[in-house]
Amino acid sequence: SYVLTQPPSVSVAPGQTARITCGGNNIGRISVHWYLQKAGQAPVLVISFDSDRPSGIPERFSGSNSGNTATLTISRVEAGDEGDYFCQVWDTGSDHVIFGGGTKLTVL
Amino acid sequence: EVELVESGGGLVQPGGSLRLSCAASGFTFSTYSINWVRQAPGKGLEWVSYISSGSTIFYADSVKGRFSISRDNAKNSLYLQMDSLRADDTAIYYCARGEGLAPSDYWGQGTLVIVSS
Repeated sequence: SYVLTQPPSVSVAPGQTARITCGGNNIGRISVHWYLQKAGQAPVLVISFDSDRPSGIPERFSGSNSGNTATLTISRVEAGDEGDYFCQVWDTGSDHVIFGGGTKLTVL
Repeated sequence: EVELVESGGGLVQPGGSLRLSCAASGFTFSTYSINWVRQAPGKGLEWVSYISSGSTIFYADSVKGRFSISRDNAKNSLYLQMDSLRADDTAIYYCARGEGLAPSDYWGQGTLVIVSS
């Protein structure tokens, strides 16, 4: 089945830009969604359909998707952005929801 | 306000059964697809099952044949019947509103299932 690959961790200083990647075979051809899960909480959708921001998500969050890599970009990172970020797709070949392994964002 | 509230979790012995429920409110439940997603302690998210508004159903390979998803639109409720439980089914189970290619835009707070003797 389809596999999504994320780096286990990303660290960034406050005010800098964090980029979290999600790799998959020709992922640029399918829609990618991103979730943030803070400690002890349920996941929250932060980017849908590659680059759409749901209501209430700051403009600092953006997404792109091309080739074999989707990227979540967080500009002007704040301490409150810390948590685990998961990418997700719908695999039409298997009719399964697929999650990446998750990336822990640490704000230094 | 959209709300999803899971219940039914608990401690169960290996080989046992449990039925999870997800109560929905704040939206027209019958017109939405819903997913069950689980998260083992310290691990990532794992999709479990999907049921569409028209009751099309899909399961992850890891639970197929052991778990059964269903919905009662009259009660605005989603269910997950879990049989032949194993230790590796131990996880927080979330229900999340989502339509196939679309994202899961609302999640419940989860219910914890522990499979242990």
